Amino acid sequence: SQQGEEDPQALSIQEGENATMNCSYKTSINNLQWYRQNSGRGLVHLILIRSNEREKHSGRLRVTLDTSKKSSSLLITASRAADTASYFCASHNNNDMRFGAGTRLTVKP
Amino acid sequence: DGGITQSPKYLFRKEGQNVTLSCEQNLNHDAMYWYRQDPGQGLRLIYYSQIVNDFQKGDIAEGYSVSREKKESFPLTVTSAQKNPTAFYLCASSIPRMGYEKLFFGSGTQLSVL
Repeated sequence: SQQGEEDPQALSIQEGENATMNCSYKTSINNLQWYRQNSGRGLVHLILIRSNEREKHSGRLRVTLDTSKKSSSLLITASRAADTASYFCASHNNNDMRFGAGTRLTVKP
Repeated sequence: DGGITQSPKYLFRKEGQNVTLSCEQNLNHDAMYWYRQDPGQGLRLIYYSQIVNDFQKGDIAEGYSVSREKKESFPLTVTSAQKNPTAFYLCASSIPRMGYEKLFFGSGTQLSVL
């Protein structure tokens, strides 16, 4: 069974706009991670936020975590056509890692 | 180059046939994982191994088998008992540390039934 759920399932924006994706999870976590997947490829780790952190930045990525609501968001600023991919959150609890169904992001040039 | 290599990229299975997917890593990671991905869905854990000669079932282990005889290798066999094997299979590895577990993924194997 899936631990997390991403929202929206699909998102289409113009180049230069910001993209926000949300993730909800069900149990307590050690950390929450975001991954990116290009079509037909493996996943690539983007960013990890620990359970005692509220916000983290990496380049054009900004991740927030609200453990009281069991939710996280990923913001991609100034999007580019190359950002087109599926984005997955993964909640990590001890030896258990649970992935959501992903958000399919399309950035139009 | 360090990384995880999955082979083959595409695999076709006939009815009643067992097939084996290869996963090799040269990252010196202790833990390895197999995930199944169906179209438009997230990843579901099939099996994982934290150390050599030890592995545990994930959420959907039925119809699959694994071995971990070497640290570098974690092959997955899809048996004839798996009635719906068509999916994208992903292998991953990590260094398990308390609170931090970043996964490194291979490029996947697409399995289809003839």
